[in-house]
Amino acid sequence: EIVMTQSPATLSVSPGERATLSCRASESVSSNLAWYQQKPGQGPRLLIYGATTRASGIPARFSGSGSGTEFTLTISSLQSEDFAVYYCQQYNNWPLTFGGGTKVEIK
Amino acid sequence: QVQLQESGSGLVKPSETLSLTCAVSGYSISVGYYWGWIRQPPGKGLEWIGSISHDGTTYYNPSLKSRVTISVDTSKNQFSLRLNSVTAADTAVYYCARLGTINLAMLNWGQGTLVTVSS
Repeated sequence: EIVMTQSPATLSVSPGERATLSCRASESVSSNLAWYQQKPGQGPRLLIYGATTRASGIPARFSGSGSGTEFTLTISSLQSEDFAVYYCQQYNNWPLTFGGGTKVEIK
Repeated sequence: QVQLQESGSGLVKPSETLSLTCAVSGYSISVGYYWGWIRQPPGKGLEWIGSISHDGTTYYNPSLKSRVTISVDTSKNQFSLRLNSVTAADTAVYYCARLGTINLAMLNWGQGTLVTVSS
């Protein structure tokens, strides 16, 4: 199975600053990668699919980049509602696999 | 707007079978897409359990494959999860989700239901 590794585990950022989250795949997943946001007590919400395409209703401050094995989620200017846990997920191969998550917390 | 809602027993005894159902509204399961189950142990990350296509083709996580069955009931527009021989390690919030077809991202999620395995 493809192992997804996210870094850092925790990212401390001040409101208004940029956040950069990384996701690495153990083998190429092409552009078959999604990013999700999860807030406490809630289910995940799809942010990005196809490595770079924002899902419906997702603000433009969220952007995804990368292909192959290295991916990045960038939040250009953190808003209070963006403090959450973010997960990447590959769907290039079965079984589908998630990264361990990055918690974005207020600095 | 597609909506998903999990239901089932919140407490299961060790060695017994966990059964959950996901009711889908706003879209007919028989038309298309993949449908799946994902779980999240308390304080931990997400684990994909398995998925089923609209025509009944299933894919399971190898780590759970021997214990898992996912099925579709198109007449009720719902799909189900059965996980047998459960242990405390199966305690988690269980989510159902709609996946894309070519794009297998999880497009819509249910709110999740906590299942506790305890005697």
